[in-house]
Amino acid sequence: DTEVTQTPKHLVMGMTNKKSLKCEQHMGHRAMYWYKQKAKKPPELMFVYSYEKLSINESVPSRFSPECPNSSLLNLHLHALQPEDSALYLCASSQDWRGTQETQYFGPGTRLLVL
Amino acid sequence: DQQVKQNSPSLSVQEGRISILNCDYTNSMFDYFLWYKKYPAEGPTFLISISSIKDKNEDGRFTVFLNKSAKHLSLHIVPSQPGDSAVYFCAARRRYGGSQGNLIFGKGTKLSVKP
Repeated sequence: DTEVTQTPKHLVMGMTNKKSLKCEQHMGHRAMYWYKQKAKKPPELMFVYSYEKLSINESVPSRFSPECPNSSLLNLHLHALQPEDSALYLCASSQDWRGTQETQYFGPGTRLLVL
Repeated sequence: DQQVKQNSPSLSVQEGRISILNCDYTNSMFDYFLWYKKYPAEGPTFLISISSIKDKNEDGRFTVFLNKSAKHLSLHIVPSQPGDSAVYFCAARRRYGGSQGNLIFGKGTKLSVKP
């Protein structure tokens, strides 16, 4: 089983709203990732969690706040977003972040629209 | 500066024939390469990977070739099927440094397999 699940599938929010994206995996992976993908562009890394600790923040604005409550769950809290933040948000996981041959498995994504 | 390049935005192939998707990279610190397939509004699905110590990896209809001296890899799909129609992303991982674990994606090639 290589399934990563994400909820919700779609989200529409205003610029003053607070919302959260959720990601879950039950593969025993210890690394989890958030990516952002705009239309016709490749996925771009936002955050990496390794063993529930934030390892990489790719200079993401503070209106995006990640959280890893346990090894199976990864959240992305959203607050005061801008319309240009509208994108597909992808979660991924891998066995370990530090291995050199780690395959990342992606969830289906949350399609976010900020009005 | 694009470190992983897929220079063909699209490719059209007849069903039953071979599809060849190409990818070039510039960073010699990459040592693990992956191909992902992506349908619209879905997350990328892992297809096949190759370590830099190999020059070929095969899995069913999919074969990835790596030419380290040319910094070039290719994905061969034989025979191509209409269900293979999707966007294919090439991705590479860095070997060392604080960004270890990052996947750097190419811009993708849209494959259309015609019946």
